[in-house]
Amino acid sequence: GAGVSQTPSNKVTEKGKYVELRCDPISGHTALYWYRQSLGQGPEFLIYFQGTGAADDSGLPNDRFFAVRPEGSVSTLKIQRTERGDSAVYLCASSLKPGVNQPQHFGDGTRLSIL
Amino acid sequence: AQRVTQPEKLLSVFKGAPVELKCNYSYSGSPELFWYVQYSRQRLQLLLRHISRESIKGFTADLNKGETSFHLKKPFAQEEDSAMYYCALSAWETSGSRLTFGEGTQLTVNP
Repeated sequence: GAGVSQTPSNKVTEKGKYVELRCDPISGHTALYWYRQSLGQGPEFLIYFQGTGAADDSGLPNDRFFAVRPEGSVSTLKIQRTERGDSAVYLCASSLKPGVNQPQHFGDGTRLSIL
Repeated sequence: AQRVTQPEKLLSVFKGAPVELKCNYSYSGSPELFWYVQYSRQRLQLLLRHISRESIKGFTADLNKGETSFHLKKPFAQEEDSAMYYCALSAWETSGSRLTFGEGTQLTVNP
């Protein structure tokens, strides 16, 4: 079956613009995670959804970042007024359900470049 | 807050040699520890987790709570083991399912 799918794979935009990054989790997975990976660093947690609701958004760096998962499947990460420091690879992961016994399956990521 | 440290950014060994990738963590509770691997041009994937006490692709890792470490070991490295390895921690009691990753170690196995 298909794994976690993220689109676009690459996004280049100018500072100040608005961007949307999409994540399509593995079918049936109720838990969905967003991470951000800057160059030379490990992934950093942003937000976690259980079903349609954001169960933990404590990793979002500021109010320019927002994410939704309206139907409990596809999720969109939205960044307003982008800054050069937002440049990173944004990773999405899903698991069948929450819990440490549930492995997180990662997508290929979206490489975001802010000029 | 929890933290994961991987002291070596780069590690190079010869094929057939033993390899150990170090991981130390700080967390006052009972952590769950994982190793993730990213091969060239592939996505991040789970290699093993301490809760399963498994050996995957010849790799093992033992959780040492006294030393707060979870080092990854393989007795005889293979060229196909060359990849980026990330140690990760889940602090279920305080942070739920979210993972805290180390900065990663790039392993190169030379022929």
